[in-house]
Amino acid sequence: GAVVSQHPSWVICKSGTSVKIECRSLDFQATTMFWYRQFPKQSLMLMATSNEGSKATYEQGVEKDKFLINHASLTLSTLTVTSAHPEDSSFYICSASFRTNTGELFFGEGSRLTVL
Amino acid sequence: QKEVEQNSGPLSVPEGAIASLNCTYSDRGSQSFFWYRQYSGKSPELIMSIYSNGDKEDGRFTAQLNKASQYVSLLIRDSQPSDSATYLCAVVNAGNNRKLIWGLGTSLAVNP
Repeated sequence: GAVVSQHPSWVICKSGTSVKIECRSLDFQATTMFWYRQFPKQSLMLMATSNEGSKATYEQGVEKDKFLINHASLTLSTLTVTSAHPEDSSFYICSASFRTNTGELFFGEGSRLTVL
Repeated sequence: QKEVEQNSGPLSVPEGAIASLNCTYSDRGSQSFFWYRQYSGKSPELIMSIYSNGDKEDGRFTAQLNKASQYVSLLIRDSQPSDSATYLCAVVNAGNNRKLIWGLGTSLAVNP
């Protein structure tokens, strides 16, 4: 299947700092990428849809000023968690659609964020 | 009613048996259906996609779709302990900007 790479896999930061997570589609161009968050033993929660060259679309309840998304190229989307707090500690996962007409998604490895 | 429903499990089967996972969905206009496997602490991995009624086989996995009854299932033959994971059903809603709607997942345990 298509390859999506995410970096970093693990990050630990102090409360109040900002953290950037990168998501790359390695062997295809992705006009749309999706950012998910998953808390322990819970299902995936879609945070936002990242569109290349335009503003991201955020899901209800997700603070767009706190979770900054930039999709500057067809192979790279970034999520920046600004002024992170312990409650932001979670597993963040990006995904990209290889075949946009089917909705099939391929996921990055995920980034586990721990805010102290 | 949730849009995509799965039995949370855990579903426990002995090694070598057939594991049967079920999923129902509410939007009759849905066109695309997926099964993802997620190991603990890892991201989901696409294992099957199905778009038309009937069965689709890939190795030990068979996806079954019945649009009239609005259910999609996944059969795992000759289950192995390495199949122990959470299986997520996902459906693309026809009128929801083609976003994936996720079930909560079924936890499968294959016992040696």
